[in-house]
Amino acid sequence: AQSVTQLDSHVSVSEGTPVLLRCNYSSSYSPSLFWYVQHPNKGLQLLLKYTSAATLVKGINGFEAEFKKSETSFHLTKPSAHMSDAAEYFCVVSDRGSGGYNKLIFGAGTRLAVHP
Amino acid sequence: DTGVSQNPRHKITKRGQNVTFRCDPISEHNRLYWYRQTLGQGPEFLTYFQNEAQLEKSRLLSDRFSAERPKGSFSTLEIQRTEQGDSAMYLCASSGQGNEKLFFGSGTQLSVL
Repeated sequence: AQSVTQLDSHVSVSEGTPVLLRCNYSSSYSPSLFWYVQHPNKGLQLLLKYTSAATLVKGINGFEAEFKKSETSFHLTKPSAHMSDAAEYFCVVSDRGSGGYNKLIFGAGTRLAVHP
Repeated sequence: DTGVSQNPRHKITKRGQNVTFRCDPISEHNRLYWYRQTLGQGPEFLTYFQNEAQLEKSRLLSDRFSAERPKGSFSTLEIQRTEQGDSAMYLCASSGQGNEKLFFGSGTQLSVL
């Protein structure tokens, strides 16, 4: 079965410093991996998606993630944090649903706090 | 594209009452999903519709839960005889055929007293 583990429940950084949110995955086949962000009172928003085309994936708002098969990792990074990045971030793996669709399996989330 | 719309945004009910939530997906999307998110956890899959057909239901969806999508457009999720453990955020998402990108609504926050 597909699963993801987010290694940190909370991460706190200062504005302007790098962000690293860690995620390990478990998959019996070549996975599709995603990062979603959830701001308070807003819907989940897709940051980026990996589907085997390139190991380094660039997303919105300056975020990127690198797929490392040897480490079964898909960590999310950003060179310089902004106050507006404070939110909950979810690492997600796609599983094959019985209806031929892709069912998303979410990690427990990492809450990112950004301090002035 | 007005996004995925969910109503109500918040629902407070007493234990034992029935509640119904509505989801309006993006108009051209034929795939619709329900997820449930409890405090401090990621969303968990509940059920999936392709057009009006409900193709998969999670074991999380007990007999008290029923979801419909009668005309392949909007969907409803009903919980009968609510329990305090049903308190959660209920999220709806939609996607187009063959597209892995899901668009999520803002959710309905259910509180069972």
